[in-house]
Amino acid sequence: RKEVEQDPGPFNVPEGATVAFNCTYSNSASQSFFWYRQDCRKEPKLLMSVYSSGNEDGRFTAQLNRASQYISLLIRDSKLSDSATYLCVGFTGGGNKLTFGTGTQLKVEL
Amino acid sequence: NAGVTQTPKFQVLKTGQSMTLQCAQDMNHEYMSWYRQDPGMGLRLIHYSVGAGITDQGEVPNGYNVSRSTTEDFPLRLLSAAPSQTSVYFCASSYGLGGGAATGELFFGEGSRLTVL
Repeated sequence: RKEVEQDPGPFNVPEGATVAFNCTYSNSASQSFFWYRQDCRKEPKLLMSVYSSGNEDGRFTAQLNRASQYISLLIRDSKLSDSATYLCVGFTGGGNKLTFGTGTQLKVEL
Repeated sequence: NAGVTQTPKFQVLKTGQSMTLQCAQDMNHEYMSWYRQDPGMGLRLIHYSVGAGITDQGEVPNGYNVSRSTTEDFPLRLLSAAPSQTSVYFCASSYGLGGGAATGELFFGEGSRLTVL
């Protein structure tokens, strides 16, 4: 089983829709979580960190559920420019490494 | 504002050839790493370094060597290229990783697309 798992999608949504992605993780020792965004044939870039209390950044909301070992990303009022692959990432301090999920592809359409 | 610079961006090798992917960062980050990205596999860590003179293996280190003689540079060497090493390689650096904690932001280079025939 992969340490971080995501539904690869694609999620095809109309502009203005709300869309949510979930990501599950298997390593209960994972300390921190993040969402990265990767545009086609580009490098990943940090979208937001995920805090236990949940956090919001504009149209984006991230939440962590440690009991069920999943994190989520909610995007409201989707824009065409939101089309990208969203990577779920977990950090395990003992190994000093970030583990990336395979990504969920989002396509926002007119 | 260079950030993380990788060269070359594209490379075609024949099986058995060796080469070095260069990576340099100008942000004074202690932590540097190399990932490869393959369809359906996500980003997988090859090697990483928490400071000059210190390197460690990641998830898929076989067939690759690294060294870290300076804070700025972290080259990745392919010793004898194989078709299984056809991939997109990303170098990344971070301020906050390496001390058992993470501020989370890895800064990536633009990637190097390697094809091994």
